[in-house]
Amino acid sequence: AQTVTQSQPEMSVQEAETVTLSCTYDTSESDYYLFWYKQPPSRQMILVIRQEAYKQQNATENRFSVNFQKAAKSFSLKISDSQLGDAAMYFCAYRSGVGTGANSKLTFGKGITLSVRP
Amino acid sequence: DAGVIQSPRHEVTEMGQEVTLRCKPISGHDYLFWYRQTMMRGLELLIYFNNNVPIDDSGMPEDRFSAKMPNASFSTLKIQPSEPRDSAVYFCASSPDSIHSGNTIYFGEGSWLTVV
Repeated sequence: AQTVTQSQPEMSVQEAETVTLSCTYDTSESDYYLFWYKQPPSRQMILVIRQEAYKQQNATENRFSVNFQKAAKSFSLKISDSQLGDAAMYFCAYRSGVGTGANSKLTFGKGITLSVRP
Repeated sequence: DAGVIQSPRHEVTEMGQEVTLRCKPISGHDYLFWYRQTMMRGLELLIYFNNNVPIDDSGMPEDRFSAKMPNASFSTLKIQPSEPRDSAVYFCASSPDSIHSGNTIYFGEGSWLTVV
């Protein structure tokens, strides 16, 4: 079974600075997808960024980028120019890319709470 | 394009009452998921469907919980009878076929359930 680990429960960053959130995962599969979701106080789960394991290039979405290290099974999220609106809980998640049906669920880490200091 | 729609957004009910949560997935999505989020246990997958068929219900806590998907555009999660420990945010989510479209799962805004 796949597992996702977010070992830092909380982090804090100064507004306009850069912060990196860590995530590691364990899998025996070679084809999979990794995600970062943001959950603000409203509790809505918002997709931040997605990475396909078969792609070597790290995904980027505006101020958000990932450092995907497949051999190390590491998938960190970097937030540049942090804004007050970035304060939220962030979840790392894994989804198998192998076949359909039983492998289709999303496995989440426990999340990390990010606070942004003005 | 409308996202995943859940109702009710908030519900407060008394212990022992029946609770029904509803979900309309994104049109064309083949997968539908029900997750529960609590402080103690984080995000838990309760059940998911593929083409309206339940694939994995191993996360359903007990017989008090049941889920149905009578058609591609509607699903329900029912708790009967409800207990205070069922208080949580319940998320419905959907995705296209896992082989295509980047495997992204889209979440609804959640249903906040409080059982008193």
